[in-house]
Amino acid sequence: NAGVTQTPKFQVLKTGQSMTLQCAQDMNHNSMYWYRQDPGMGLRLIYYSASEGTTDKGEVPNGYNVSRLNKREFSLRLESAAPSQTSVYFCASTPGLAGTYEQYFGPGTRLTVT
Amino acid sequence: EDQVTQSPEALRLQEGESSSLNCSYTVSGLRGLFWYRQDPGKGPEFLFTLYSAGEEKEKERLKATLTKKESFLHITAPKPEDSATYLCAVQARSGNTGKLIFGQGTTLQVKP
Repeated sequence: NAGVTQTPKFQVLKTGQSMTLQCAQDMNHNSMYWYRQDPGMGLRLIYYSASEGTTDKGEVPNGYNVSRLNKREFSLRLESAAPSQTSVYFCASTPGLAGTYEQYFGPGTRLTVT
Repeated sequence: EDQVTQSPEALRLQEGESSSLNCSYTVSGLRGLFWYRQDPGKGPEFLFTLYSAGEEKEKERLKATLTKKESFLHITAPKPEDSATYLCAVQARSGNTGKLIFGQGTTLQVKP
């Protein structure tokens, strides 16, 4: 039981390049989230998916797109990377929206945009 | 606007020196308050969920408490392995989105 997995662990991009961050969970959870973590800013929600087939914007969605590929997988795409997107990205999942559930986090992807 | 503020930003303790971390929150109806531990280079790890004022939960040397405006994470006789960043987050009743609002965290260093 791996929980939440993320690939890649590290990535360096040049300004304007694109890439997709992958996230998968094996806990049969319905809801999945993408956060970014910057020094002094805490964790900020980028996008979330309440269930397979739905996605919604979070607090800081500009410059990102997401795809809920199936119940297990939720990817985050940077179409044209900018230095302001240098950050650590975390994926999380939770059983569902009904009720109060803790979120389970992946190990993170450390992205640097030069 | 829903908001979470943690204090202090950083805390240095000697092994065995007990202390508390604070999490103040404003939210339009609290569904739950969460505490997480984050080690350097890793994702946050869930510790506790608190639902209503007066509730307390314990795990080893950690005890979390909740009032209507704040939560405390009490660390009793800490050990060096308790060194980490502790994150507090709230989930609001409104919207039913499951979203969490995080504070900036408190980085704890416990010296032997």
